[in-house]
Amino acid sequence: SQTIHQWPATLVQPVGSPLSLECTVEGTSNPNLYWYRQAAGRGLQLLFYSVGIGQISSEVPQNLSASRPQDRQFILSSKKLLLSDSGFYLCAWTRGTPSSYNEQFFGPGTRLTVL
Amino acid sequence: KNQVEQSPQSLIILEGKNCTLQCNYTVSPFSNLRWYKQDTGRGPVSLTIMTFSENTKSNGRYTATLDADTKQSSLHITASQLSDSASYICVVSVIQGAQKLVFGQGTRLTINP
Repeated sequence: SQTIHQWPATLVQPVGSPLSLECTVEGTSNPNLYWYRQAAGRGLQLLFYSVGIGQISSEVPQNLSASRPQDRQFILSSKKLLLSDSGFYLCAWTRGTPSSYNEQFFGPGTRLTVL
Repeated sequence: KNQVEQSPQSLIILEGKNCTLQCNYTVSPFSNLRWYKQDTGRGPVSLTIMTFSENTKSNGRYTATLDADTKQSSLHITASQLSDSASYICVVSVIQGAQKLVFGQGTRLTINP
């Protein structure tokens, strides 16, 4: 069976500090991977998605970047955090072949607070 | 602009009662519509997935409807339980290279004993 992991679960960082959130998927190969952010009381916003190693598409301009160094590893980074980067960050995956019915599975999330 | 709007923003009902959540969308090209349940501090979990040709789909006490002509969907919860307390999110999927999801802001449902 497939599982998706995210860490850390919670993080409190000062403004201007760097960020690295990690997501890994087990039990599948060549997944499409996604990073979302959910601000308090808001819907999920797609930040990045990746269809393969080293292939990153950005959905919104921002202070963040993403990388996919391995097939089942997706990393969200920032060089200098802003207060507005606070939120709940979710990683998700789907099977690599696009299909209308592909389920998108979400990780447990990382709660980031920037002070 | 692709948008998904949900109503109400929040809802409180008594255990055992039924309720209906609404979703309107303007998303193109439309692939399918999903309803997710998200417990506080957790990732969303899929309840139903419907393509434009499907009018209704059930998953236990959850029944989703879709009117592709009016671009409206609803999620009906029957005989609510305390564990139904969560946010319910309407999500529309498009296929543009990869699958991409457009999320509504969710309806926060609280079930009181």
